[in-house]
Amino acid sequence: GAGVSQSPSNKVTEKGKDVELRCDPISGHTALYWYRQSLGQGLEFLIYFQGNSAPDKSGLPSDRFSAERTGGSVSTLTIQRTQQEDSAVYLCASSIVGSEQYFGPGTRLTVT
Amino acid sequence: GQQLNQSPQSMFIQEGEDVSMNCTSSSIFNTWLWYKQDPGEGPVLLIALYKAGELTSNGRLTAQFGITRKDSFLNISASIPSDVGIYFCAGQLTGGYNKLIFGAGTRLAVHP
Repeated sequence: GAGVSQSPSNKVTEKGKDVELRCDPISGHTALYWYRQSLGQGLEFLIYFQGNSAPDKSGLPSDRFSAERTGGSVSTLTIQRTQQEDSAVYLCASSIVGSEQYFGPGTRLTVT
Repeated sequence: GQQLNQSPQSMFIQEGEDVSMNCTSSSIFNTWLWYKQDPGEGPVLLIALYKAGELTSNGRLTAQFGITRKDSFLNISASIPSDVGIYFCAGQLTGGYNKLIFGAGTRLAVHP
């Protein structure tokens, strides 16, 4: 079956612009996670969704970052007024609650 | 926040050699996991460990959950060229919505 998909696969944006990153989880997975991977680093947790609510937003680095999930499915991560330090790969994962997380291929964001 | 110390940072080995990598933490985890990431892809789960002292194998891979619950190791026996990639350890905390705390990764190169 279909895995986790993310779009776009690559995004280049100018400093100060807003960007939206999309995640389509595996059908039926109620848990959804966003992680960020900076160059040469491990993944850093950003936010967790259970259904449409986000009980853990503790990893969002600043108020320029926000995320939403609608219909218990698609999620969008929005970064406002992008900065160069936002450049990274943004990965989405989904799971049945308490089970293995399946990762998407990520969106590589470059802020120039 | 929690941090995982993963070592070595990189390894360059001959095909057929055995490989060992490990992770230590200042926090106690209730689950340890090992992932492999290929270029342009998200991490893929290799082995999950759920109990202190547990030793689990998956083909040529063997991993152990340390008795103190603060460390884990991964061994790869008889390496082959397709083992090339980045290996990450990750831990999960009790009550943490199953979010993953990642190490910085071990980059493995295999020389034929």
